Amino acid sequence: DIQMTQSPSFVSASVGDRVIITCRASRVINNCFAWYQQKPGKAPKLLIYYTSNLQSGVPSRFSGSGSGTDITLTITSLQPEDSATYYCHQGNTFPWTFGQGTKVEVK
Amino acid sequence: EVHLVESGGGLVQPGGSLRLSCAASGFTFSAYSMNWVRQAPGKGLEWLSYIVGPSTTIYYADSVKGRFTIFRDNAKNSLYLQMNSLRAEDTAMYYCARDHNYGFDMWGQGTMVTVSS
Repeated sequence: DIQMTQSPSFVSASVGDRVIITCRASRVINNCFAWYQQKPGKAPKLLIYYTSNLQSGVPSRFSGSGSGTDITLTITSLQPEDSATYYCHQGNTFPWTFGQGTKVEVK
Repeated sequence: EVHLVESGGGLVQPGGSLRLSCAASGFTFSAYSMNWVRQAPGKGLEWLSYIVGPSTTIYYADSVKGRFTIFRDNAKNSLYLQMNSLRAEDTAMYYCARDHNYGFDMWGQGTMVTVSS
């Protein structure tokens, strides 16, 4: 199975800050990565698909990048509503797997 | 509007069975692959199973292989998860999710399954 190692597990930042979350896959994946945002008591929401494509309706302050084994989710100019847990996901090889999650706290 | 609505969760004893349903609306259900994903209380996301539109290809996570069965009825725009031999560790919120471009672009609100005596 492909393991997805996500870091950091927690980040606390202020409104307007830039936040970067990283995921490392245990082997090379052909850009089949996605990122999700989950708020308490809610279903996850797709933010980024195929490593760097912004899902329709998602604010442009979210962006994804990377290749091979390493991908990043960047939130530029953090907003209060961005307080949530973020998960990476690989959809390249079954069984599909998720990272452990990063909780983002907005001070 | 595009919607996925899960149902069928509840309290079940260890070793018992439960069937979850996911009703789809607002899109051509048969054209999409679908998935089940779960989340144990306070934990992360775990992908469980995948099925293509015509049901010709199915995959399972090792944790549920042989116990859970995914199937769909395209005429009813519905996805199902038959869960047998349930264990305490199967306690979780269960989500159905639509597959699109190597991501899950639509999720239901989830249905809670609690396995306890």
